[in-house]
Amino acid sequence: EPEVTQTPSHQVTQMGQEVILRCVPISNHLYFYWYRQILGQKVEFLVSFYNNEISEKSEIFDDQFSVERPDGSNFTLKIRSTKLEDSAMYFCASSDAPEVGYGYTFGSGTRLTVV
Amino acid sequence: TQLLEQSPQFLSIQEGENLTVYCNSSSVFSSLQWYRQEPGEGPVLLVTVVTGGEVKKLKRLTFQFGDARKDSSLHITAAQPGDTGLYLCAGASGETSGSRLTFGEGTQLTVNP
Repeated sequence: EPEVTQTPSHQVTQMGQEVILRCVPISNHLYFYWYRQILGQKVEFLVSFYNNEISEKSEIFDDQFSVERPDGSNFTLKIRSTKLEDSAMYFCASSDAPEVGYGYTFGSGTRLTVV
Repeated sequence: TQLLEQSPQFLSIQEGENLTVYCNSSSVFSSLQWYRQEPGEGPVLLVTVVTGGEVKKLKRLTFQFGDARKDSSLHITAAQPGDTGLYLCAGASGETSGSRLTFGEGTQLTVNP
C-alpha cells in the first residue's frame, strides 16, 4: 500500500537552530499538509499546500515556518529559528483529488526535540 | 475556531463488550474522518463520512454522521484486544480535501482479554 515517508524519524536540535523536516508524499496525490502534535495534546493543523503554493495556514504557522516542494517528490517543512515550544511530533500527510470524501494518508512523523 | 469534542476520553472494557465513542461540535463539517493512532505513529484513516445521516460499516465498526453534519459516532461490536488504541475523529471544514482537519482529543480504548 502506498505510504507517506518522513525523515528523519527523530531530530534533536539546539534552540535557535534551523531544522528541515522532509516528506515524500504519495506520488499521485495533489494536496500536501503538515500537522503537529505536542506530547499529550491533540493533532493540530499547520499548513496545506496545493499547486505549488500554500492554500491554507493556521495561526501557528508564523514567519518562522516555511514549506517547499523543491522537486516532484519531496515536501519540506523548515523552521528557521527553533524554540523550545516547537518540540513536538510533526506529521506530513497527503490526499487525492479535491472531491470531498477522500481521507488523508499520514506519515509516521518526525519527533523534534528542541533543547 | 472550530472545536471537536470527543467522549469518553478513556474507555476500558472487557473483550466481547460493545462500545460507542462520540464526537460532537457546534460547527458544521463537510466531512468527518475517523483515525486510529498507535503510540509514536501517525494517524491511520479508518473511514470518511460525508453525507448527513450516513452510516458506514467496517467489519465490527459502525460509523455514523449526524443529520446536521455536526456530530459523529463510532460503535464497536464485540470488542477484541486488537481494537486497543487511540481513536481520533477529525472534521474537514472546506469543500475540498485541501481544507484543514480539526482533530478531537481522542479516545484511548483498552480492551482487556
